[in-house]
Amino acid sequence: GENVEQHPSTLSVQEGDSAVIKCTYSDSASNYFPWYKQELGKRPQLIIDIRSNVGEKKDQRIAVTLNKTAKHFSLHITETQPEDSAVYFCAASIRGSQGNLIFGKGTKLSVKP
Amino acid sequence: SQTIHQWPATLVQPVGSPLSLECTVEGTSNPNLYWYRQAAGRGLQLLFYSIGIDQISSEVPQNLSASRPQDRQFILSSKKLLLSDSGFYLCAWSLTRNTGELFFGEGSRLTVL
Repeated sequence: GENVEQHPSTLSVQEGDSAVIKCTYSDSASNYFPWYKQELGKRPQLIIDIRSNVGEKKDQRIAVTLNKTAKHFSLHITETQPEDSAVYFCAASIRGSQGNLIFGKGTKLSVKP
Repeated sequence: SQTIHQWPATLVQPVGSPLSLECTVEGTSNPNLYWYRQAAGRGLQLLFYSIGIDQISSEVPQNLSASRPQDRQFILSSKKLLLSDSGFYLCAWSLTRNTGELFFGEGSRLTVL
């Protein structure tokens, strides 16, 4: 089955700096890679996703890159703000199945003002 | 629009007592339904998923069970709670076909003493 590794487990940056979170996956058949953000005490919410037919996707200050050959994908947040502080989860799944996602263990991002 | 509700939000139970967490989805039909557990440092662990009424699959061996008596109702249960059952439980739903995006409920924090 799929296994997703996520690094680092904690990340602290200064406001305005960039943050990068990296994930690797094991199943080469995986073709859908979402990222979820979970603020303290709240539910996880999708912030961006990428499918295997593209290598990069951007949405304002957030971008995700995918390297299918190496089986890794990364979340990039530029110009970080205090409200970016949260736990971020990467995940991988095979679309067209029941849609089960396998999550990484999460990265706690702290943005210091 | 679709909404998902789960309850209770918090629960403190003694070891050996029963458990029932309930989740309902509104605004869609025949959703995939999921129960995840979030323990500190372990990310989001998939416990059960369901593709239809009375169709439940378990991802990990455990002390818990799940049932889906109606199309948009998903229940997580235990006959006798263990200390290790403590955690944050999240119900989620997704569309049946060709999408991996999960929509999470507000979560239920269970403390077993």
